[in-house]
Amino acid sequence: DVKVTQSSRYLVKRTGEKVFLECVQDMDHENMFWYRQDPGLGLRLIYFSYDVKMKEKGDIPEGYSVSREKKERFSLILESASTNQTSMYLCASSLVAAPDTQYFGPGTRLTVL
Amino acid sequence: AQSVTQPDIHITVSEGASLELRCNYSYGATPYLFWYVQSPGQGLQLLLKYFSGDTLVQGIKGFEAEFKRSQSSFNLRKPSVHWSDAAEYFCAVGANTNAGKSTFGDGTTLTVKP
Repeated sequence: DVKVTQSSRYLVKRTGEKVFLECVQDMDHENMFWYRQDPGLGLRLIYFSYDVKMKEKGDIPEGYSVSREKKERFSLILESASTNQTSMYLCASSLVAAPDTQYFGPGTRLTVL
Repeated sequence: AQSVTQPDIHITVSEGASLELRCNYSYGATPYLFWYVQSPGQGLQLLLKYFSGDTLVQGIKGFEAEFKRSQSSFNLRKPSVHWSDAAEYFCAVGANTNAGKSTFGDGTTLTVKP
């Protein structure tokens, strides 16, 4: 089974802090994704990566950056956290051969105070 | 641009009753369609997917979905709901590009009454 793990299930940070959310997948997937999930808004794509060191902006990249130094790891960075970034963050991965069949991690619920 | 609409925000059914969750999509070509389930506090799990071929697709946990091109729909069904099916359900449409940028619906929350 594909396993996607996220470094924290719950995280509380203060406004202005730099925040790192880590995601690791163990199935050699080329594609990795970061979404945020908010009530009534569904899942919105922040960034995705289709290869090591490659990244593309999703629908809501403002205030976020990403890093992919190794194939199995995809990090989401909030350079200066703000209260409107309080949300559930979901990481996913997929194969290039089946890019839309995504496997999700359990999510990180981030609260910014 | 692709889009997905899940018309029902919240549905309540009794345990043992049948279930149908609606999904309508907009996409210029033949879509790749998915249903995911999210249990409370968990990530999303793929229930089933449609790429081509038979328009009735079987998935895990006893779920099935039917692709109807004429209605631009991909509704999820289950003949008899169990209490453990209470969750949020997401429909998604994909473009099968290298990037796999699927578009997700806003979700339908299912409550199961005993």
